[in-house]
Amino acid sequence: GAVVSQHPSRVICKSGTSVKIECRSLDFQATTMFWYRQFPKQSLMLMATSNEGSKATYEQGVEKDKFLINHASLTLSTLTVTSAHPEDSSFYICSATISGGAMKTQYFGPGTRLLVL
Amino acid sequence: GQNIDQPTEMTATEGAIVQINCTYQTSGFNGLFWYQQHAGEAPTFLSYNVLDGLEEKGRFSSFLSRSKGYSYLLLKELQMKDSASYLCAHGWGSQGNLIFGKGTKLSVKP
Repeated sequence: GAVVSQHPSRVICKSGTSVKIECRSLDFQATTMFWYRQFPKQSLMLMATSNEGSKATYEQGVEKDKFLINHASLTLSTLTVTSAHPEDSSFYICSATISGGAMKTQYFGPGTRLLVL
Repeated sequence: GQNIDQPTEMTATEGAIVQINCTYQTSGFNGLFWYQQHAGEAPTFLSYNVLDGLEEKGRFSSFLSRSKGYSYLLLKELQMKDSASYLCAHGWGSQGNLIFGKGTKLSVKP
């Protein structure tokens, strides 16, 4: 149980284009989903907290107009990297917690590797 | 403020036992988590402690002392596949936010 999927697993795009990444909880409902970014040999950095039906909460330094988050249902959150640049190349990982669960364990998706040329 | 410290790297021998320590400082505490992350992959959940003491799960055990702001992950009967980064994280808030340490890269040698 508690499986989270991400799509795509890997994407290469040209500078200036937008890329959408989907995060789905497959066997549970997730009121809250989290989006992280991880650069090589560095720790996970939280970008934003996404709540179903409301606006995401962005961490300091993360541009909300560049990283658009939509959490339209209890099983799906999307992250759109708008006008991507080479410095946005990174490993993007989502996670989700089970709605109503007493133990707020985050279950991670497999990640999306973005390369912007 | 919130801060988590864990060793950057550790090396151990196949079949041995290794203990990875983690200390934390936080203004709000909602559990201590350990995750395993293999290179190029996303983290996978290993253990969760909210009360003091030892939680055992197969070859992996995790310990917590809230008064000392201290936790450790104990790996027994090490296998080569245990070579990975081990992330200590503490939870805070009502939504399950996590603050991650930088991870300990464990190398298991034959």
